[in-house]
Amino acid sequence: EPEVTQTPSHQVTQMGQEVILRCVPISNHLYFYWYRQILGQKVEFLVSFYNNEISEKSEIFDDQFSVERPDGSNFTLKIRSTKLEDSAMYFCARRRQGTDTQYFGPGTRLTVL
Amino acid sequence: AQSVAQPEDQVNVAEGNPLTVKCTYSVSGNPYLFWYVQYPNRGLQFLLKYITGDNLVKGSYGFEAEFNKSQTSFHLKKPSALVSDSALYFCAVRVAPYGQNFVFGPGTRLSVLP
Repeated sequence: EPEVTQTPSHQVTQMGQEVILRCVPISNHLYFYWYRQILGQKVEFLVSFYNNEISEKSEIFDDQFSVERPDGSNFTLKIRSTKLEDSAMYFCARRRQGTDTQYFGPGTRLTVL
Repeated sequence: AQSVAQPEDQVNVAEGNPLTVKCTYSVSGNPYLFWYVQYPNRGLQFLLKYITGDNLVKGSYGFEAEFNKSQTSFHLKKPSALVSDSALYFCAVRVAPYGQNFVFGPGTRLSVLP
């Protein structure tokens, strides 16, 4: 299974601050996804990203969230002004073109104080 | 809208016994079904998937799952459980060909007792 890495592993921030979560790309994985898992709850889809564009997003993915992959570098999820309820595990997933399986990273634990 | 149910929050089984983790789904099209496992402080690891073909699919670590269209189920099974199988298991569905994202079930915590 392709290794997916995410940084940082744990992020602590104050409410209202901006955070950027990173996912390290694999060359032939073109489809990217962000999911989150609030403690004790199920994994929820946030957004999918292909060819430098958002292809799908959920209701959770509001104006406070943004994603980008500048110049083929890390795939990032930005939360502009964090709220307490943004505290969760955030998982990046990648998928190779022509396949169906998404491979998940180990996640970033975001704690908003 | 598609949804996934895992009716059991917790499943306990003795080591060496067969295990079943249940999953039912509700979709409007043809489902692509997946099982993932999550160990403590780890990400989701892919176990197996059903896309088309044989209803019984085999995956990693000796797990298998049976797709049952009439019952809209995709139960995960293993003939002989190991203590190391203890983890959180998630069933997920993707509706083909539309929608690339997964809808996950709430998860089932499996405890295999020695």
